[in-house]
Amino acid sequence: GAVVSQHPSWVICKSGTSVKIECRSLDFQATTMFWYRQFPKQSLMLMATSNEGSKATYEQGVEKDKFLINHASLTLSTLTVTSAHPEDSSFYICSANSGSSYNEQFFGPGTRLTVL
Amino acid sequence: QKEVEQDPGPLSVPEGAIVSLNCTYSNSAFQYFMWYRQYSRKGPELLMYTYSSGNKEDGRFTAQVDKSSKYISLFIRDSQPSDSATYLCAAYNFNKFYFGSGTKLNVKP
Repeated sequence: GAVVSQHPSWVICKSGTSVKIECRSLDFQATTMFWYRQFPKQSLMLMATSNEGSKATYEQGVEKDKFLINHASLTLSTLTVTSAHPEDSSFYICSANSGSSYNEQFFGPGTRLTVL
Repeated sequence: QKEVEQDPGPLSVPEGAIVSLNCTYSNSAFQYFMWYRQYSRKGPELLMYTYSSGNKEDGRFTAQVDKSSKYISLFIRDSQPSDSATYLCAAYNFNKFYFGSGTKLNVKP
Protein backbone atom coordinates (compact mmCIF):
# COMPACT_ATOMS: atom_id res chain seq x y z
CA GLY A 1 0.00 0.00 0.00
CA ALA A 2 0.88 3.65 -0.27
CA VAL A 3 3.28 4.98 2.31
CA VAL A 4 3.54 8.47 3.68
CA SER A 5 6.44 9.42 5.86
CA GLN A 6 6.98 12.36 8.16
CA HIS A 7 10.15 13.79 9.51
CA PRO A 8 10.98 14.35 12.27
CA SER A 9 8.80 12.07 14.35
CA TRP A 10 9.41 14.13 17.47
CA VAL A 11 10.90 17.54 17.92
CA ILE A 12 11.52 19.64 20.99
CA CYS A 13 12.32 23.28 20.51
CA LYS A 14 12.60 26.50 22.43
CA SER A 15 9.90 29.12 22.32
CA GLY A 16 10.43 31.56 19.49
CA THR A 17 12.19 29.19 17.14
CA SER A 18 10.81 27.85 13.87
CA VAL A 19 10.31 24.20 13.15
CA LYS A 20 9.93 22.51 9.78
CA ILE A 21 8.06 19.24 9.37
CA GLU A 22 8.33 17.25 6.16
CA CYS A 23 5.68 15.01 4.68
CA ARG A 24 6.62 12.69 1.83
CA SER A 25 4.64 10.26 -0.26
CA LEU A 26 7.11 7.46 -0.86
CA ASP A 27 5.56 5.40 -3.63
CA PHE A 28 2.97 7.59 -5.25
CA GLN A 29 2.48 11.12 -6.40
CA ALA A 30 0.28 13.18 -4.16
CA THR A 31 -1.73 15.82 -5.91
CA THR A 32 -3.17 16.95 -2.63
CA MET A 33 -1.76 16.87 0.86
CA PHE A 34 -3.52 17.74 4.06
CA TRP A 35 -2.12 18.96 7.34
CA TYR A 36 -3.89 18.14 10.56
CA ARG A 37 -3.36 18.96 14.17
CA GLN A 38 -4.42 16.65 16.95
CA PHE A 39 -4.56 17.48 20.63
CA PRO A 40 -4.60 14.69 23.23
CA LYS A 41 -7.85 12.75 23.22
CA GLN A 42 -9.22 14.90 20.44
CA SER A 43 -9.84 14.31 16.81
CA LEU A 44 -7.94 15.52 13.83
CA MET A 45 -8.37 19.18 13.08
CA LEU A 46 -7.72 20.08 9.48
CA MET A 47 -5.34 23.01 9.28
CA ALA A 48 -4.83 23.36 5.56
CA THR A 49 -5.04 21.69 2.20
CA SER A 50 -2.14 22.00 -0.16
CA ASN A 51 -2.02 21.25 -3.86
CA GLU A 52 1.25 20.90 -5.68
CA GLY A 53 2.39 24.13 -7.22
CA SER A 54 -0.27 26.35 -5.70
CA LYS A 55 -0.89 28.14 -2.46
CA ALA A 56 -2.32 26.21 0.42
CA THR A 57 -5.91 26.69 1.46
CA TYR A 58 -6.14 27.31 5.18
CA GLU A 59 -9.06 26.50 7.41
CA GLN A 60 -10.77 29.25 9.31
CA GLY A 61 -8.86 30.24 12.39
CA VAL A 62 -5.51 28.89 11.21
CA GLU A 63 -2.88 31.58 10.83
CA LYS A 64 -1.26 31.18 7.45
CA ASP A 65 1.69 33.36 8.43
CA LYS A 66 2.39 31.18 11.42
CA PHE A 67 1.92 27.82 9.73
CA LEU A 68 3.72 28.04 6.40
CA ILE A 69 2.96 25.28 3.97
CA ASN A 70 4.95 24.52 0.86
CA HIS A 71 3.96 21.78 -1.56
CA ALA A 72 6.95 22.02 -3.83
CA SER A 73 6.64 18.67 -5.56
CA LEU A 74 4.21 15.83 -5.99
CA THR A 75 5.95 13.88 -3.25
CA LEU A 76 6.84 16.52 -0.69
CA SER A 77 4.97 19.03 1.43
CA THR A 78 6.43 20.94 4.34
CA LEU A 79 4.83 22.64 7.30
CA THR A 80 6.87 25.29 9.08
CA VAL A 81 5.70 26.43 12.46
CA THR A 82 7.18 29.91 12.79
CA SER A 83 8.02 31.50 16.12
CA ALA A 84 6.67 28.49 17.95
CA HIS A 85 5.11 28.91 21.38
CA PRO A 86 4.15 26.33 24.00
CA GLU A 87 0.53 26.42 22.85
CA ASP A 88 1.70 25.14 19.47
CA SER A 89 2.75 21.91 21.12
CA SER A 90 0.68 19.22 19.49
CA PHE A 91 0.70 16.19 17.24
CA TYR A 92 0.88 17.21 13.59
CA ILE A 93 -0.23 14.69 11.01
CA CYS A 94 -0.10 14.96 7.26
CA SER A 95 -2.01 12.92 4.75
CA ALA A 96 -1.73 12.54 1.02
CA ASN A 97 -4.26 11.84 -1.67
CA SER A 98 -3.15 10.56 -5.03
CA GLY A 99 -6.27 11.87 -6.66
CA SER A 100 -7.11 8.52 -8.20
CA SER A 101 -9.72 7.76 -5.58
CA TYR A 102 -11.53 10.11 -3.24
CA ASN A 103 -11.11 7.93 -0.21
CA GLU A 104 -7.50 7.03 -0.63
CA GLN A 105 -6.09 9.40 1.89
CA PHE A 106 -2.94 7.97 3.39
CA PHE A 107 -1.73 9.32 6.69
CA GLY A 108 1.78 9.87 7.85
CA PRO A 109 2.88 8.62 11.27
CA GLY A 110 2.69 12.10 12.75
CA THR A 111 5.16 14.51 14.31
CA ARG A 112 5.03 15.34 17.97
CA LEU A 113 6.05 18.94 18.58
CA THR A 114 6.94 20.08 22.06
CA VAL A 115 7.72 23.75 22.52
CA LEU A 116 9.42 24.61 25.78
CA GLN B 1 -22.84 21.63 15.64
CA LYS B 2 -19.91 19.56 14.45
CA GLU B 3 -20.19 17.93 11.06
CA VAL B 4 -19.47 14.51 12.52
CA GLU B 5 -20.19 13.56 16.11
CA GLN B 6 -18.72 10.59 17.90
CA ASP B 7 -18.85 9.40 21.48
CA PRO B 8 -15.26 9.57 22.79
CA GLY B 9 -15.67 6.63 25.14
CA PRO B 10 -13.59 5.02 26.45
CA LEU B 11 -15.22 1.71 25.66
CA SER B 12 -13.92 -1.32 27.50
CA VAL B 13 -14.96 -4.83 26.47
CA PRO B 14 -13.74 -8.38 27.16
CA GLU B 15 -11.91 -10.28 24.47
CA GLY B 16 -14.31 -11.97 22.07
CA ALA B 17 -17.08 -9.43 22.51
CA ILE B 18 -18.88 -7.74 19.66
CA VAL B 19 -18.06 -4.05 19.57
CA SER B 20 -20.34 -1.40 18.16
CA LEU B 21 -18.91 2.03 17.38
CA ASN B 22 -21.19 4.78 16.19
CA CYS B 23 -21.22 8.25 14.71
CA THR B 24 -23.79 10.71 13.53
CA TYR B 25 -23.38 13.40 10.92
CA SER B 26 -25.26 16.51 10.04
CA ASN B 27 -24.66 17.13 6.34
CA SER B 28 -27.00 15.12 4.16
CA ALA B 29 -24.71 15.77 1.19
CA PHE B 30 -22.06 13.41 2.55
CA GLN B 31 -21.77 10.34 0.36
CA TYR B 32 -18.55 8.68 1.44
CA PHE B 33 -17.87 7.42 4.91
CA MET B 34 -14.71 5.99 6.39
CA TRP B 35 -13.47 4.36 9.55
CA TYR B 36 -9.88 4.81 10.65
CA ARG B 37 -7.96 3.11 13.41
CA GLN B 38 -5.33 5.04 15.28
CA TYR B 39 -2.87 3.56 17.73
CA SER B 40 -1.35 5.79 20.34
CA ARG B 41 1.04 8.36 18.88
CA LYS B 42 0.60 7.02 15.36
CA GLY B 43 -1.16 8.29 12.28
CA PRO B 44 -4.63 6.93 11.44
CA GLU B 45 -4.93 3.97 9.11
CA LEU B 46 -7.93 3.38 6.90
CA LEU B 47 -9.99 0.39 7.97
CA MET B 48 -13.02 0.57 5.76
CA TYR B 49 -15.05 2.90 3.63
CA THR B 50 -18.60 2.84 2.35
CA TYR B 51 -20.49 4.78 -0.24
CA SER B 52 -24.01 5.98 0.47
CA SER B 53 -26.18 3.64 2.51
CA GLY B 54 -25.62 -0.02 3.15
CA ASN B 55 -23.23 -2.48 4.73
CA LYS B 56 -19.72 -3.49 3.93
CA GLU B 57 -17.93 -6.41 5.51
CA ASP B 58 -14.23 -7.13 5.74
CA GLY B 59 -13.24 -10.02 7.95
CA ARG B 60 -14.27 -9.25 11.50
CA PHE B 61 -15.25 -5.69 10.61
CA THR B 62 -18.58 -4.48 9.27
CA ALA B 63 -19.28 -0.87 8.36
CA GLN B 64 -22.86 0.30 8.12
CA VAL B 65 -24.36 3.56 6.88
CA ASP B 66 -27.95 4.65 7.36
CA LYS B 67 -28.40 7.87 5.44
CA SER B 68 -32.00 8.27 6.50
CA SER B 69 -30.92 8.74 10.10
CA LYS B 70 -27.43 10.07 9.29
CA TYR B 71 -25.89 7.29 11.33
CA ILE B 72 -22.71 5.37 10.66
CA SER B 73 -21.51 2.32 12.54
CA LEU B 74 -18.57 -0.01 12.77
CA PHE B 75 -19.00 -3.48 14.21
CA ILE B 76 -16.08 -5.60 15.32
CA ARG B 77 -16.74 -9.29 15.86
CA ASP B 78 -14.62 -11.51 18.09
CA SER B 79 -12.71 -8.51 19.35
CA GLN B 80 -9.05 -8.99 20.17
CA PRO B 81 -6.68 -7.11 22.48
CA SER B 82 -4.87 -5.97 19.35
CA ASP B 83 -8.03 -4.10 18.37
CA SER B 84 -7.43 -1.74 21.29
CA ALA B 85 -7.03 1.66 19.67
CA THR B 86 -8.92 4.82 18.93
CA TYR B 87 -11.41 4.53 16.10
CA LEU B 88 -12.24 7.58 14.05
CA CYS B 89 -15.21 7.91 11.77
CA ALA B 90 -15.04 10.31 8.88
CA ALA B 91 -17.16 11.67 6.07
CA TYR B 92 -15.91 13.04 2.78
CA ASN B 93 -17.28 15.80 0.63
CA PHE B 94 -15.67 18.05 -1.99
CA ASN B 95 -12.10 17.01 -1.30
CA LYS B 96 -12.43 17.55 2.42
CA PHE B 97 -12.60 15.00 5.19
CA TYR B 98 -14.59 15.57 8.36
CA PHE B 99 -13.55 13.50 11.34
CA GLY B 100 -15.33 12.49 14.50
CA SER B 101 -13.52 12.94 17.78
CA GLY B 102 -12.64 9.25 17.98
CA THR B 103 -13.73 6.48 20.34
CA LYS B 104 -11.08 4.84 22.45
CA LEU B 105 -11.57 1.08 22.59
CA ASN B 106 -9.91 -1.21 25.10
CA VAL B 107 -10.28 -4.96 24.62
CA LYS B 108 -9.32 -6.77 27.78
CA PRO B 109 -7.73 -10.22 27.51
